[in-house]
Amino acid sequence: ETGVTQSPTHLIKTRGQQVTLRCSSQSGHNTVSWYQQALGQGPQFIFQYYREEENGRGNFPPRFSGLQFPNYSSELNVNALELDDSALYLCASLAGGHNEQFFGPGTRLTVL
Amino acid sequence: GNSVTQMEGPVTLSEEAFLTINCTYTATGYPSLFWYVQYPGEGLQLLLKATKADDKGSNKGFEATYRKETTSFHLEKGSVQVSDSAVYFCALSDRPGSNYQLIWGAGTKLIIKP
Repeated sequence: ETGVTQSPTHLIKTRGQQVTLRCSSQSGHNTVSWYQQALGQGPQFIFQYYREEENGRGNFPPRFSGLQFPNYSSELNVNALELDDSALYLCASLAGGHNEQFFGPGTRLTVL
Repeated sequence: GNSVTQMEGPVTLSEEAFLTINCTYTATGYPSLFWYVQYPGEGLQLLLKATKADDKGSNKGFEATYRKETTSFHLEKGSVQVSDSAVYFCALSDRPGSNYQLIWGAGTKLIIKP
């Protein structure tokens, strides 16, 4: 148990739709990262939020966006879903100044 | 850019066998290196880490040494158990002193047979 939860566990959407995935970090962890893990591959960094501001972004288009809230929860929003967006989406939290990320169990998104 | 390459799986071993999973990296500067494990149906867990050259990370009988001269961070265990069956990921952080923006290998599935 890492103390990081994600919802929903599974989700099915159709191409063109929008989706919001949620993450609840450990209390006191003011940094959250989101990753996309395609089947059989390692995770790919999407972006990171620190104190409610985006402070790092991977090679993902603007239709991937996020929010972080003062209560240590965060969201990943994806607009105009494409088939290739089908993946496991992971969030990870860490406390400032510490050197370990704690991962949630992920949300499995399927785009049809 | 920075990258991580790890040996393809699956790796299938008998219980009590010696394990090595190779990991090499490409990075500028001095990245931190990590091994994560993903058990079936569970999230990623940090297994061990090393933050500077010649550091040895260890946990649960697993070890890995940060070798800057060979840009490697191979995972080893002397005697594996069935419960070690999982997918193992090697990763690096290209921001010194922290591990956000991790760059990951593709993962190696380990299967241990009784």
